[in-house]
Order: sequence, then structure tokens, then C-alpha cells
Amino acid sequence: NAGVMQNPRHLVRRRGQEARLRCSPMKGHSHVYWYRQLPEEGLKFMVYLQKENIIDESGMPKERFSAEFPKEGPSILRIQQVVRGDSAAYFCASSPGSAGGLHNEQFFGPGTRLTVL
Amino acid sequence: SQQGEEDPQALSIQEGENATMNCSYKTSINNLQWYRQNSGRGLVHLILIRSNEREKHSGRLRVTLDTSKKSSSLLITASRAADTASYFCARDSGGSYIPTFGRGTSLIVHP
Repeated sequence: NAGVMQNPRHLVRRRGQEARLRCSPMKGHSHVYWYRQLPEEGLKFMVYLQKENIIDESGMPKERFSAEFPKEGPSILRIQQVVRGDSAAYFCASSPGSAGGLHNEQFFGPGTRLTVL
Repeated sequence: SQQGEEDPQALSIQEGENATMNCSYKTSINNLQWYRQNSGRGLVHLILIRSNEREKHSGRLRVTLDTSKKSSSLLITASRAADTASYFCARDSGGSYIPTFGRGTSLIVHP
């Protein structure tokens, strides 16, 4: 039973290019969360998605950032026209979710380390 | 800030000693969780403690929660070099089940 998978593990982009980060949740999990972590910092929530729906994007910058979780395939975090300040580790987590709204443990992927030159 | 804030920021101990890390928060919580992160890796869930619980154990880990003081502690007993990692507390509150993370405690256990 594979855990949360993220790829690529490392991504280098030049300023102005696009970065696409992928996350495959654990089998049976329908909830995906994206976080950003700067060096020596904790994780900052970005966006929470369920299949084909963005539930909460309050932590995601309004410009250049977008996320999707299609019916088929992985969740994608897309950063357009990257800038040096986008350099960080981006973590994805998944949970099975609950119709009752009770908290579920989140399982984290290994992260994608984005470096913008 | 509504983050869970851990202290100390860094902790250096010898193998076999106990390590205690604390987490404080400002608003009432539903749950509080502790995670471990090894350098360059993702987070590993350690323990979840609910607001109506006061203490939980898992192996060498002991977590306490004091809602009156809005604080939690993580105790690692008989530490090992492999416990070297950063430890984060995360809490969710109100109607949100998105955990909010603190900056973490960096623990170094010397063999």
C-alpha cells in the first residue's frame, strides 16, 4: 500500500518559467492538502481539495498559483512565472476525509523541493 | 498568531536522556497533533490528542494537553540518536480541520 507520492522530488526552474508539482494521494483517500515550507519554518497551509473541487484555498496566493484535483489522476499544484521567493519545499498530504467533518490524520508525501534560479 | 508555537526552538541532548518539547496556542482547539520531520523528508504523524483528553502514550512518546493553559508537551523518553529530527505541533480549531503548524523544535540526540 503505497503512501502519498510526490514528483518530482526536486525541481529547478528559472525565473518566469512554470512549475508543476504532482501529488498522488494514498489509495482510498479523497482529500488532498498542499503546504509550503520555507527553511527553518513550519508548514504553511495553501489549499485543500477534494476530487474536482477546491474546498479551501485561503492559504494560496491569488496570483500565479493554482491547484486542481481531477477525477482521474494526481493533484497538481501549478506555479506560473516563478520568482525566487517561490523556492521552498512543497508538501502534499492526503486523508480519507469524513462526511461528519471530524478531523482525520493527514499522511504526508516526501515533498518537492523547488529551486528558482 | 494563531499558530501552535513550539519551544525550545532547538534542543541538544545525549542518548538515553529524556527530551521534552512544548507547544502553546492561542485559540481553543478540537485536536492537537505532533509530527516529526527528518531532514529533507516529509512529516510523520506521531500522536493526535483530542481536546477532551489529557494524556496519551505511544511507545516512548508521551503527550499531555492542558487546555486551561493552552499548551501541550511531547516527552520522548530514553532518547536515541535516531530521534534526531524536527518536531512540530499542529492544531485545528473551530470548524476547520486544517491543522496549523508551528515553527518546530529541532532535536539533536548525540550518541
